[in-house]
Amino acid sequence: DTGVSQDPRHKITKRGQNVTFRCDPISEHNRLYWYRQTLGQGPEFLTYFQNEAQLEKSRLLSDRFSAERPKGSFSTLEIQRTEQGDSAMYLCASSIYRDFNYGYTFGSGTRLTVV
Amino acid sequence: AQKVTQAQTEISVVEKEDVTLDCVYETRDTTYYLFWYKQPPSGELVFLIRRNSFDEQNEISGRYSWNFQKSTSSFNFTITASQVVDSAVYFCALGELTRDDKIIFGKGTRLHILP
Repeated sequence: DTGVSQDPRHKITKRGQNVTFRCDPISEHNRLYWYRQTLGQGPEFLTYFQNEAQLEKSRLLSDRFSAERPKGSFSTLEIQRTEQGDSAMYLCASSIYRDFNYGYTFGSGTRLTVV
Repeated sequence: AQKVTQAQTEISVVEKEDVTLDCVYETRDTTYYLFWYKQPPSGELVFLIRRNSFDEQNEISGRYSWNFQKSTSSFNFTITASQVVDSAVYFCALGELTRDDKIIFGKGTRLHILP
């Protein structure tokens, strides 16, 4: 296993369009997290899963955002009716619950630009 | 309140100088974890170190060292004999067991190592 994979690496979309990002975590990791990072800021928590269960959604996650992890493996993050304020880096991370030896393992992120 | 403060937004030093990145945290938990991550221009967050709240022993790894002081709620990071490859954004982060291990990040310190 080579780590956490995110696809695509970059996405440019027109305002109002829907976009979907995919994250493939490390296979033995039961926790999966989505973060958003805007320019000059640290990553901000969006949502997370334990296996296929979504445990929490941040207030940053409006109704236009939805995330799934259908079989407890890969996850998707969909943004409907994109707005310019959605432009950011979307980071996925995975971990083994309660195993903090290495914190989270992050993917390289998907950079979204809404024009 | 759960909070991580990195007061230094940007630092520039000349190669081979030592540099310390400051991190101050706030938590009501007695059990928590502190992390440092590096984000090079490629964007991926790279785990550097984890410290739990029961272990105040300072750590050295090559040119990197970390100073954890519970009395001042600080977890500072020092790079000795800096190199151009150390140029990156560095994030301090906090995880709390009572918040189900979710990690929150500071805003980061952008470090420029000048040749």
